[in-house]
Amino acid sequence: EPEVTQTPSHQVTQMGQEVILRCVPISNHLYFYWYRQILGQKVEFLVSFYNNEISEKSEIFDDQFSVERPDGSNFTLKIRSTKLEDSAMYFCASRNGDSGSEKLFFGSGTQLSVL
Amino acid sequence: DAKTTQPTSMDCAEGRAANLPCNHSTISGNEYVYWYRQIHSQGPQYIIHGLKNNETNEMASLIITEDRKSSTLILPHATLRDTAVYYCIVRVVGTYKYIFGTGTRLKVLA
Repeated sequence: EPEVTQTPSHQVTQMGQEVILRCVPISNHLYFYWYRQILGQKVEFLVSFYNNEISEKSEIFDDQFSVERPDGSNFTLKIRSTKLEDSAMYFCASRNGDSGSEKLFFGSGTQLSVL
Repeated sequence: DAKTTQPTSMDCAEGRAANLPCNHSTISGNEYVYWYRQIHSQGPQYIIHGLKNNETNEMASLIITEDRKSSTLILPHATLRDTAVYYCIVRVVGTYKYIFGTGTRLKVLA
């Protein structure tokens, strides 16, 4: 079965540094998402992306965050200047189509640790 | 905010059916109910979804009440590997966001 692939699986960075989390969505999918999960908390929506632009974002997704689809296969999340509270598991997801019943497929996540 | 409410936790004996309830009293007529689960800190895994008819696949069954205000996920023969947090999700009206609530932590006991 096709999968959403995320790299790296773990990322450690110093506070104030920029990080880029990478995702390869399923190849024929059109809608892309980032979610995060702080340890012990629920999965939180960050942003959705369609047709090369952000379609929706949450209040968490402030100016420190950006997303990009630099080529036909990758989807990235950039955090410009990381804070301690950005430490979390970040999940990429993708789906196909627009029928209203499309299921979202998730990657296995990138654990980001900000020191 | 999530449009669903679920019990915080449930236990189930191995080999028995696990019935996980979900309330979604404000669901709109064209919104689907989705169920996902998360094992440890892995990525959420799709289980099943439905609109108004009951659905069954190789993993589970989904029973949706006639008024669509609640549903039940049934794992017919729970195994230890089914221990996970189970999320019932309804899409936000007018958007395609899938908002997770706090889910039900299911523990399957040997």
